[in-house]
Amino acid sequence: KQEVTQIPAALSVPEGENLVLNCSFTDSAIYNLQWFRQDPGKGLTSLLLIQSSQREQTSGRLNASLDKSSGRSTLYIAASQPGDSATYLCAVFSGSARQLTFGSGTQLTVLP
Amino acid sequence: DAMVIQNPRYQVTQFGKPVTLSCSQTLNHNVMYWYQQKSSQAPKLLFHYYDKDFNNEADTPDNFQSRRPNTSFCFLDIRSPGLGDAAMYLCATSRDVQAQFFGPGTRLTVL
Repeated sequence: KQEVTQIPAALSVPEGENLVLNCSFTDSAIYNLQWFRQDPGKGLTSLLLIQSSQREQTSGRLNASLDKSSGRSTLYIAASQPGDSATYLCAVFSGSARQLTFGSGTQLTVLP
Repeated sequence: DAMVIQNPRYQVTQFGKPVTLSCSQTLNHNVMYWYQQKSSQAPKLLFHYYDKDFNNEADTPDNFQSRRPNTSFCFLDIRSPGLGDAAMYLCATSRDVQAQFFGPGTRLTVL
């Protein structure tokens, strides 16, 4: 059974810092990995999708990497802003049941 | 803009009174999902439709059912809501095993 872990659970940084969020998964037989952002009381916003054959994806100030063999992904946020404050969820799509398994998220606070 | 729409955004129901949540999409995706998310927890998959094929998760209570009358619409029916069913319900869509796109969610309160 796929398990996804995110470290740290919470992170507080001053505005302008670069930061890295970590995600690990137990079963490397994945279709893809997706990073989401969730604001309080809202739905999930898809940030980046990395296919199993890819090593990284970039969108603006965000860069996500994937090391499938070691079961790890990182989300790099450059020049953080207070508007980046949210919970970031890593999710892995895998298995014969074709199911998205979520980590428990990293709650990010960017201080002005 | 193509999107996933959920109605209502907020639903209040009484203990045991059936409730239906709706989801529609303009993405023309063939897969639709329903998730339950409780406070400070990750979303939990309830079931999904792959085209017309219904796939129920093993631990989804019988109290929860779903209908997909056409490609664009999917409904979540809770036959007899209990206090433990109070949660955010999220609908998502995808094209096969590609990226999932989520709606804004329906916050369900059970009195």
